[in-house]
Amino acid sequence: QKEVEQNSGPLSVPEGAIASLNCTYSDRGSQSFFWYRQYSGKSPELIMSIYSNGDKEDGRFTAQLNKASQYVSLLIRDSQPSDSATYLCAVRSAGNMLTFGGGTRLMVKP
Amino acid sequence: EADIYQTPRYLVIGTGKKITLECSQTMGHDKMYWYQQDPGMELHLIHYSYGVNSTEKGDLSSESTVSRIRTEHFPLTLESARPSHTSQYLCASSGRPSNTGELFFGEGSRLTVL
Repeated sequence: QKEVEQNSGPLSVPEGAIASLNCTYSDRGSQSFFWYRQYSGKSPELIMSIYSNGDKEDGRFTAQLNKASQYVSLLIRDSQPSDSATYLCAVRSAGNMLTFGGGTRLMVKP
Repeated sequence: EADIYQTPRYLVIGTGKKITLECSQTMGHDKMYWYQQDPGMELHLIHYSYGVNSTEKGDLSSESTVSRIRTEHFPLTLESARPSHTSQYLCASSGRPSNTGELFFGEGSRLTVL
């Protein structure tokens, strides 16, 4: 079992819809959780970080964390074609190493 | 704004050549990393450093080597490049003084070995 798991996709949503991206992790001692967006051929860029259970909202993005279920998600409201990218979940373990999931490719269709 | 720079951005070389990919950051971060990523594939950690004179190998075995003589500089070297080394190499940094936990990435160095 991989330490950080994501569905590789592609996840296809129509423009204006809510895109829901999910991530599970195996290390119960993990403390910090991050979502990165990576456009094709570019480097990853941080879009959200979350450290405690619950929801964290930033503009059209909402990160959700449930440590009991070892689950973190990213919701993108009013999805735009420019949101089409690969979204990487990253988890910082108790040992302070950051582990990336394989990424979910999101396609937003006009 | 993240300030981490990689050179060259693109490099095409012949088999057997020695290459060095440069990475510098101006944020004073103590931790630096090298990742390898093929198109459409996962990020793989190949080297990391938690400070000056400290280097460790990552999860993916790599024939490359790294050094960390100065806090801001973390070059990666391939002594004899082969076509199997063709990939994108991403440098990243994190840690003090901001210590927010996230990684800041450079723009990457795309290496093609003929």
